[in-house]
Amino acid sequence: RKEVEQDPGPFNVPEGATVAFNCTYSNSASQSFFWYRQDCRKEPKLLMSVYSSGNEDGRFTAQLNRASQYISLLIRDSKLSDSATYLCVVINAGGTSYGKLTFGQGTILTVHP
Amino acid sequence: EAGVAQSPRYKIIEKRQSVAFWCNPISGHATLYWYQQILGQGPKLLIQFQNNGVVDDSQLPKDRFSAERLKGVDSTLKIQPAKLEDSAVYLCASSLALGRYYGYTFGSGTRLTVV
Repeated sequence: RKEVEQDPGPFNVPEGATVAFNCTYSNSASQSFFWYRQDCRKEPKLLMSVYSSGNEDGRFTAQLNRASQYISLLIRDSKLSDSATYLCVVINAGGTSYGKLTFGQGTILTVHP
Repeated sequence: EAGVAQSPRYKIIEKRQSVAFWCNPISGHATLYWYQQILGQGPKLLIQFQNNGVVDDSQLPKDRFSAERLKGVDSTLKIQPAKLEDSAVYLCASSLALGRYYGYTFGSGTRLTVV
């Protein structure tokens, strides 16, 4: 079983739509969680951290369910510029390797006019 | 603040040839990572350095891949000999320190095609 699993999509949605991505992780000791965004032929960039209480940044809402080992990202009022690959990322606890990012395979989102 | 510099941006080689990639992290960043990203997959960690020491190289195919960070700043990643399945983007990232998540900065990557 992969350490971090995502639905690869692709998700094709019209502008203005609400879309949700899910991610599961296998290591119950995982400590920190993030969503990264990767544009075509570009490097990954941090979109937002994910906290147990849930957090929101504008049109983006991230939630964490530790009991189910599940992370989600909700995008409201989708824009054309939201088209990208969204990577679920986990950091596991553990000594000097803390800080190592483990990535899911990514979910492709295409927003069309 | 200058970002993470990587070169070359693109490289095409034949299988069984050797290739080297270079990375210059953000000034003052002690931790450096090399990731391999195969098309359609998320990045996979190959090796992690803290200053000039290796912290984690458990997923580095050591029979053909090697990496070094001699002076604790620049790093090189080498593949010798290359295989078709090594075609990927090689991403370098740096972070301030170990011990917690300080945030990563990725370079723009080197896209390797092995033919």
